[in-house]
Amino acid sequence: AQKVTQAQTEISVVEKEDVTLDCVYETRDTTYYLFWYKQPPSGELVFLIRRNSFDEQNEISGRYSWNFQKSTSSFNFTITASQVVDSAVYFCALSEAMYSGGGADGLTFGKGTHLIIQP
Amino acid sequence: GAGVSQSPSNKVTEKGKDVELRCDPISGHTALYWYRQSLGQGLEFLIYFQGNSAPDKSGLPSDRFSAERTGGSVSTLTIQRTQQEDSAVYLCASSFVLAGGIDTQYFGPGTRLTVL
Repeated sequence: AQKVTQAQTEISVVEKEDVTLDCVYETRDTTYYLFWYKQPPSGELVFLIRRNSFDEQNEISGRYSWNFQKSTSSFNFTITASQVVDSAVYFCALSEAMYSGGGADGLTFGKGTHLIIQP
Repeated sequence: GAGVSQSPSNKVTEKGKDVELRCDPISGHTALYWYRQSLGQGLEFLIYFQGNSAPDKSGLPSDRFSAERTGGSVSTLTIQRTQQEDSAVYLCASSFVLAGGIDTQYFGPGTRLTVL
């Protein structure tokens, strides 16, 4: 069975601080996909990144960066120089390999980390 | 282009009534997903459609829940004889289906269901 753990329920930092959101996953599959989504107060889930299990390269997108380490089954997310607009709930999610006949499966989400950026 | 749309945005109903929630996926997306988000359970996957068929319905919480998709596009999630524990935000997502992998799911704004 697959599982995603986001141990940090809530993080509060002052604007301009760097912050890292942790994500640890469990899967028996060798082919899987990891995702991060942002859920601002408006409620809509916004896609941030997708990473497949064969690509361990870290990724940077502006102030956002992701560190994928298969050895520790972690896919952590760092926001550099945080801003008030970054305040949201952030979800890490996992999806295992597609069925052999083709198709897709639902995402297994962590419980989310509520990030509060104080001005 | 247009994103995933869901209607209604809010639904208040009385216990025991039936409700229908609608999802309109992104044009061209053949895969469609339903999730439920509640305080106690977090985000739960309910059901997935590939075209008009749902290979696995085991994620639906009870036999009061059903879903269908017609024309490979719009989907409806129906909850019969609603209970207070059905109160939650119901999220729909859609994606392409790739031959060799899983594509990204894009989510709609959700329907907030309140059962009194």
